[in-house]
This record gives sequence, C-alpha cells and structure tokens, in this order.
Amino acid sequence: DTGVSQNPRHKITKRGQNVTFRCDPISEHNRLYWYRQTLGQGPEFLTYFQNEAQLEKSRLLSDRFSAERPKGSFSTLEIQRTEQGDSAMYLCASSLNSGSTDTQYFGPGTRLTVL
Amino acid sequence: RKEVEQDPGPFNVPEGATVAFNCTYSNSASQSFFWYRQDCRKEPKLLMSVYSSGNEDGRFTAQLNRASQYISLLIRDSKLSDSATYLCVVNIRNDYKLSFGAGTTVTVRA
Repeated sequence: DTGVSQNPRHKITKRGQNVTFRCDPISEHNRLYWYRQTLGQGPEFLTYFQNEAQLEKSRLLSDRFSAERPKGSFSTLEIQRTEQGDSAMYLCASSLNSGSTDTQYFGPGTRLTVL
Repeated sequence: RKEVEQDPGPFNVPEGATVAFNCTYSNSASQSFFWYRQDCRKEPKLLMSVYSSGNEDGRFTAQLNRASQYISLLIRDSKLSDSATYLCVVNIRNDYKLSFGAGTTVTVRA
C-alpha cells in the first residue's frame, strides 16, 4: 500500500500523559499536513510542512502540541499533558507541490481518547 | 461566519433517486473547490474537484456558482454504496490550506 499511513490507529490515554503520533506520507510528496476532526465536524487544519520546514501552525495548536518532520519524510505530532478536549481524530495528509492546487491525500487517522 | 457551511442533512433517499445538496463559502476570491467523501470512522477521500464550468464524474455532477458563492453536488441513480458524509472543501485563501464544511450525510435505503 503506497498511501499515507498513520500509527497508531487508536490511542487511549489518561489525562496528563504525553502521546506521540506518526505519519508516513506518500513517498514522493513534499507537503505534509496535520488536521484534527471532532465528531460531527469537518477536519480542521493544524499545521503544514513543506519538506522539513514547518511553515504554518494554526492557533488551534496550543503550546502543548508540537510537530516535526526531521528529514522531510515522516512526521510526528506530540501532545503533552493531554486534556479531555484533545480527544479527536488526528488526520495526516500529504500532497505533491505541482505548481497548482495540490490534491491532498489523507491517511486513516489516529483516534485519540483522553480519559 | 464559518468559511465553509453545509446543510448537515441527513438526506435519506431510496435507491435510484437523485439527491442534491449545496455548500456556501466565505471568500469570493477562492479558486479551488472539492468534494470529499468520508465513510463512518474513515478518512476523507477525494470524490471530485469542482471546475468553473461544472463537471461530471459518472453519476456525480458538481457545479460552482461564483456569484452566489456556492457549490453543489448532485448524485443520480443513488446506490446503497453512496451512503456517506460528503465534505465540501475550499481552498479559501488560495494557498495550501483546505477549509472543510461539517459535511452532509446521505443515506441511501433499499
């Protein structure tokens, strides 16, 4: 399968714990995005990487959230001191910068439940 | 005002029926529009891009009305497998960031 992959698919944690999610984009894609989706809503943009550079962070991404893409390939999203409000589906997407509007392909998501 | 707004539905239709729904967007200068499909507890998948002149992909027809800032999706000859949530997606600021509507739920019954 050469699509976007995410691990883990599900994560249950207790409030106050730290969690880290991984995203592996489609191999030739240089753009990578993180979104968050809560029940009954569409995905909301969190952050964006072009290669290894993080070019934008949404105001939704508090100081407890950090994302990296160290070699311009896979990315990690870490949430420190999790809160119940962090419970959501975290989606990763990737695209190839082709000079026009890119088509973003989504991974299966990591479903986080904070108890 | 939300950047992208959709009628949440649900639309419950019999097999073979035609169903259509719209979404509106906030920025008249937006240039790129999409419909994504999302099955329950799955990731969004691109259904089709929406072009200025309107476009079809099999039983699916997308239309763009720039003057009124809305996009529509029409599904003809509905199949049970069309049951899903349809997300209206707009590149609001013509950059890399997509803005999603909350989705329109369609249920096709036998």
